[in-house]
Amino acid sequence: DAGVIQSPRHEVTEMGQEVTLRCKPISGHNSLFWYRQTMMRGLELLIYFNNNVPIDDSGMPEDRFSAKMPNASFSTLKIQPSEPRDSAVYFCASSLLLRTGGLSEGTGELFFGEGSRLTVL
Amino acid sequence: EDQVTQSPEALRLQEGESSSLNCSYTVSGLRGLFWYRQDPGKGPEFLFTLYSAGEEKEKERLKATLTKKESFLHITAPKPEDSATYLCAVQARGYSTLTFGKGTMLLVSP
Repeated sequence: DAGVIQSPRHEVTEMGQEVTLRCKPISGHNSLFWYRQTMMRGLELLIYFNNNVPIDDSGMPEDRFSAKMPNASFSTLKIQPSEPRDSAVYFCASSLLLRTGGLSEGTGELFFGEGSRLTVL
Repeated sequence: EDQVTQSPEALRLQEGESSSLNCSYTVSGLRGLFWYRQDPGKGPEFLFTLYSAGEEKEKERLKATLTKKESFLHITAPKPEDSATYLCAVQARGYSTLTFGKGTMLLVSP
């Protein structure tokens, strides 16, 4: 069974250019998460979707960042315009969200892709 | 705001030299504490979930324990293949997202 698939694995671009990162979650998972990892700040949640609907985007740094999930098998994270401080590894993860006692809670087991390493010059 | 602090930042061990990694956390109602392993150039990989103080989980040379304020990942007689970054994360009750610590980078020398 294929895991979470991300593309591209590496992207080098110049400041001001548009960057699009792609993610295919594990089939059957109903929640998708975008994380960013840097040495200074570790893993930070950017946004998460449940059943293709954005639930929490409070981690998105600013309006230059946007994310979409048009269907259950595809999501994109777009940065426009890109800046050098956006350089990081971007991870997509998927999971199964369970509903218990009226509250939806994740299982906590996230399945991560191998990440997209972005370098903005 | 949920917070996770891991120590040490880096740890070098000789093969067979047992040690522990620490994860201190503050969360408004803990639903679960999670340990992940991350190899260089890879995404984190799930290891354990702990739900309540006193709980323990084991997997090969790893044992995770939980108190009300911290968790420990004990590594017994480590091997070079245990070298990785170990991440701790917490999930608050009623929420679906995890807050991660910055990790402990473990290097086990032969």
